[in-house]
Amino acid sequence: SQQGEEDPQALSIQEGENATMNCSYKTSINNLQWYRQNSGRGLVHLILIRSNEREKHSGRLRVTLDTSKKSSSLLITASRAADTASYFCATGRGYSTLTFGKGTMLLVSP
Amino acid sequence: DAGVIQSPRHEVTEMGQEVTLRCKPISGHDYLFWYRQTMMRGLELLIYFNNNVPIDDSGMPEDRFSAKMPNASFSTLKIQPSEPRDSAVYFCASSLMGNTEAFFGQGTRLTVV
Repeated sequence: SQQGEEDPQALSIQEGENATMNCSYKTSINNLQWYRQNSGRGLVHLILIRSNEREKHSGRLRVTLDTSKKSSSLLITASRAADTASYFCATGRGYSTLTFGKGTMLLVSP
Repeated sequence: DAGVIQSPRHEVTEMGQEVTLRCKPISGHDYLFWYRQTMMRGLELLIYFNNNVPIDDSGMPEDRFSAKMPNASFSTLKIQPSEPRDSAVYFCASSLMGNTEAFFGQGTRLTVV
C-alpha cells in the first residue's frame, strides 16, 4: 500500500515562481526523502530529512517535516524550466525499505 | 561507479513469453530493490534483497514473477509467462542501507502484446 501521498497531483507555474509540493503519510517513520523523475528516466534522490529534524535546505530546495501532522513539504524556489519533472516523497520505516507516493507532476513554463 | 545498470532498456514481447530483466547494482551497496511503475498504481516495491538474500517478496504480484540475486553484482527479475497487464516500467535500485538514499537505474520499459 502507498505510504506517502503527494499533493497536488499536478502543478503548473512560470519560471521564477516558487513551487510547493506536499506529502502526507500514515505511520511513524525514520526519515522522509524526496526524489525527482524526469520523463522516461529513473528517480534521482534530492534530499533526506530525518524524523528528528524539522527543516532542511539544499540549494534551491527547502524541505519541512511535521511528524505530529505526518506531513512534509518540498519548496523549490526561483523555479526553472529544467525543474519540470515528477516529484515523489518516500518514507523510510524501520531499516528496510522505502515506500513511494504517486508523485506530483511539476511543469515550469519559460 | 557507473551507477545502477539495467538491461534491456526496452523490451517488447508477446503474451506467454518469458521475460528476464537484469540489474547490476552499485558496488558496495548491500540492498537491492525491484520496483514496478505504472500510471494507475504508481511505484510499487516488488521485492528487495539484503546481502543477496531475498528479504521481502510480498509485493511480487503472482507466482509468474520471480527474482534472484546470485551474487552481489547481479540480479534478475523474471516473468513467465508474461501477460499484457505486466506492461510497465521496471526499476532496479540499490542502497547502502535499506531506508537511506536509493540509487535507481534507468528502468526497463516492458510492453507485452
